[in-house]
Amino acid sequence: GENVEQHPSTLSVQEGDSAVIKCTYSDSASNYFPWYKQELGKRPQLIIDIRSNVGEKKDQRIAVTLNKTAKHFSLHITETQPEDSAVYFCAASIGNFNKFYFGSGTKLNVKP
Amino acid sequence: DGGITQSPKYLFRKEGQNVTLSCEQNLNHDAMYWYRQDPGQGLRLIYYSQIVNDFQKGDIAEGYSVSREKKESFPLTVTSAQKNPTAFYLCASSSRRSGRLGNTDTQYFGPGTRLTVL
Repeated sequence: GENVEQHPSTLSVQEGDSAVIKCTYSDSASNYFPWYKQELGKRPQLIIDIRSNVGEKKDQRIAVTLNKTAKHFSLHITETQPEDSAVYFCAASIGNFNKFYFGSGTKLNVKP
Repeated sequence: DGGITQSPKYLFRKEGQNVTLSCEQNLNHDAMYWYRQDPGQGLRLIYYSQIVNDFQKGDIAEGYSVSREKKESFPLTVTSAQKNPTAFYLCASSSRRSGRLGNTDTQYFGPGTRLTVL
């Protein structure tokens, strides 16, 4: 089955700096890659997603890039703010099977 | 997200007891999922259902059971066979979106149930 690896497990940045979180996947059939943000004790919230027919997608300070050849995708957060502090999860899906495979999460700490 | 509800928010189980976690959605989503999250870890799939009256085991189904009698509801029972059930349980649902790349679905999560074994 699919295996998703996520790095780093923790990331600490200064407010205003950029943060990058990387994920790799193993199954070339995966075609949908969402990113979720989870605050302590809360539900994961979808923040951005990308499908395999595009290489990059941007939404204000958040962007995701996908390299299908290398089987990796990354989350980029620019101009980080303290409220960006949370755990971020990547996931991969083969679509038709409706199963998501999640990475282990990255705890982002933005220092004011 | 507001269309997916889970109850209770906190649940305590005694040894040898079965407990049922509720998940309801009013989003008209076809697929529903149950995940388990342990502290500092990612989400692991317990069961999922793509359609009413049908469900499949996920990666950690042992000690759990589900039913899908209605489109809106997907309850999870944690049985006494689950030896380490203390965790945060998340329910999710998704709609089937057909496209050129096939059916790729976005999952939306409920608020979760925190289960503790006494």
